[in-house]
This record gives sequence, C-alpha cells and structure tokens, in this order.
Amino acid sequence: KQEVTQIPAALSVPEGENLVLNCSFTDSAIYNLQWFRQDPGKGLTSLLLIQSSQREQTSGRLNASLDKSSGRSTLYIAASQPGDSATYLCAVRPGGAGSYQLTFGKGTKLSVIP
Amino acid sequence: KAGVTQTPRYLIKTRGQQVTLSCSPISGHRSVSWYQQTPGQGLQFLFEYFSETQRNKGNFPGRFSGRQFSNSRSEMNVSTLELGDSALYLCASSPPTVNYGYTFGSGTRLTVV
Repeated sequence: KQEVTQIPAALSVPEGENLVLNCSFTDSAIYNLQWFRQDPGKGLTSLLLIQSSQREQTSGRLNASLDKSSGRSTLYIAASQPGDSATYLCAVRPGGAGSYQLTFGKGTKLSVIP
Repeated sequence: KAGVTQTPRYLIKTRGQQVTLSCSPISGHRSVSWYQQTPGQGLQFLFEYFSETQRNKGNFPGRFSGRQFSNSRSEMNVSTLELGDSALYLCASSPPTVNYGYTFGSGTRLTVV
C-alpha cells in the first residue's frame, strides 16, 4: 500500500528566504507526482505535475524535483512571500491497478513572516 | 475555461439524514474523483467514475455512494449521516489518460450536528 509522508508538518520562515518542502513515498511504481497548494477552507490548487520519467519541473519561483528510485520529491520555493503562506500537499498517482486515485501526504503548513 | 464546480459550498445536516453533493467537471474531462478531507485523516479517496462507470473505490462504508451522468457530472450521496462524516468533500476531474494531472473544485463543507 502506497504511503506518502511530508516533513516537516509545519514551517515558519521570514520573507525572502528560499525553502524546500519534502515528500517521500514508499512505492516507486508511480505514473506521476503532483504538488498542490491549499488555502484555509479552500480547494486544492495544482502547482506542478512531474511525470515518472522526468527529474524536475519549474513554474516561476517554484521548482519540483523527483527521484523515483529513492521515493523522494522536493518542492523548492525561491524568495518566499507572505502570499505563499498555505498548506502544501504532494500526491502520487500509482502505476498499474488503482491508478485512478491519488495518495496524498498530510501536507506541510507554511507560514511566511513579513 | 471553467474549472471544477461543486455545489453547494456549505451544508449543515442532522445526524441520520442523507445528503447529496454535486460536481461538474471541466468540459472534456470524463474522469471524476471524490475525496474526503478531515483534520485527522487528511485527504482520503472515496471513488472515481469514468463514462458513468465506477472504476475505483476507496475504503469507505456503503453509506457513501456516487454516480456519474452522461454529461460527466457526478453526484455523491451519504446516507444515515454520522457526526464523523463532517468534512470537506473535494471533487477532482482529469482527462482520461494517466499522464495528466487532476484539477480540484473548491469543495463542499459538510457539517453534521
């Protein structure tokens, strides 16, 4: 059974700092990994999607990497801003049977202090 | 391009009642999934529909059911509500191939009293 872990559960940084969020998964047989952002009481906003054959994806100040063999992904946020404060979730889409569902981590709650 | 639309946004129900939640996917997306989010358990998969057929189901009791219509809109139903069913219910849609990601709606906040 796929398990996804995100460490740390919460992170507080001063504005302008670069930061890394971590995601690990137990089964490397995945189609892709997706990073989401969730603001309090809201739905999920997709940030980046990395296919299993890719090593990284970039969008603006965000860069996500994937090391499928070791079961790890990182989300790098450059020059953090108070508007980046949110909960960040990673989710894996398993390969083979059951590929029609995502398995989520519990998230990292990020606070960027002005 | 319209996103995933979930209605209603908020619901308050009494224990024992039943509830129906609705989800309209992005135009052209034929796969619709449902997730339950609670503070304790995080996001948990409920079920997924494609072309009116349930392809996958999570580990939830039979009180949770769903369906998909020919226009890809989906509904989920929870019968005999329990206090523990209070949660944010999220719907996601995706194109039919596995190489694409999911787009989520804003969710329906269900409170059972």
